[in-house]
Amino acid sequence: DGGITQSPKYLFRKEGQNVTLSCEQNLNHDAMYWYRQDPGQGLRLIYYSQIVNDFQKGDIAEGYSVSREKKESFPLTVTSAQKNPTAFYLCASSPTQGMGTEAFFGQGTRLTVV
Amino acid sequence: AQSVTQLDSHVSVSEGTPVLLRCNYSSSYSPSLFWYVQHPNKGLQLLLKYTSAATLVKGINGFEAEFKKSETSFHLTKPSAHMSDAAEYFCVVRRGSQGNLIFGKGTKLSVKP
Repeated sequence: DGGITQSPKYLFRKEGQNVTLSCEQNLNHDAMYWYRQDPGQGLRLIYYSQIVNDFQKGDIAEGYSVSREKKESFPLTVTSAQKNPTAFYLCASSPTQGMGTEAFFGQGTRLTVV
Repeated sequence: AQSVTQLDSHVSVSEGTPVLLRCNYSSSYSPSLFWYVQHPNKGLQLLLKYTSAATLVKGINGFEAEFKKSETSFHLTKPSAHMSDAAEYFCVVRRGSQGNLIFGKGTKLSVKP
C-alpha cells in the first residue's frame, strides 16, 4: 500500500533532550512537509522540502531541524532549543506538478515533554 | 497574501439534520481549495478539492462544497449528518501547483443523537 508512515506514534522527551521523528513515503512525491498542531490553532508549517537535499523554513522553524537525503524520507529533529515542544506533529507529502495537487498525511506523532 | 478563515470554531448538529461548515479565503491568484477531515489523534484525510473546474464539488461520505468567487467562499455541506461525521474539519488553500498549503484553524463538528 502506498502512503506515508510516521513513527513513533507516541514519543516522550525529557527536558534538554533532542528527539527525532521519522517520516517515510512511498508515493514518489517530490515535496514533503512537517506541521505542528496545537488545539485551536490549526496546522502550522515547520519545514518543507521540494526536492532532495534542499529544504526551507516554514512559519515556526525555530528549535527544529530537518534533513532530506533521500526522496522517501524527511526526518524532523526537535532540539532542546524548542521551548514548548509538546504537540501533535504531522508529516505530509505531495506532487509538485499539476494544479490542485493535494497533500497526503501520515497518522501523526504525539510528542510529550516529561 | 493568502489566508483562510473558518467562521465557526465549533458546530453542533443533530443526527439526520444538514451540516454547514463555513470557509472564506483570500488569494491574489486562482487558488486550489481543499477540505480535510481529522478524527481524534489521526492524520488528515482529503474530503474534496476545487481546481477551477466545476464550482460545485462532490466529495467522499456525501459531502460537497461550492466555490463562490464573488463571495470568496468555499462552504462545506452535507444534507444529513451521521454520528461518524463528528470530527474536526479544515479548509485549506493552495496557490498554484507548488505553493504551500495554508490551513484554517479548523471547525469541530459535534453530532448529537
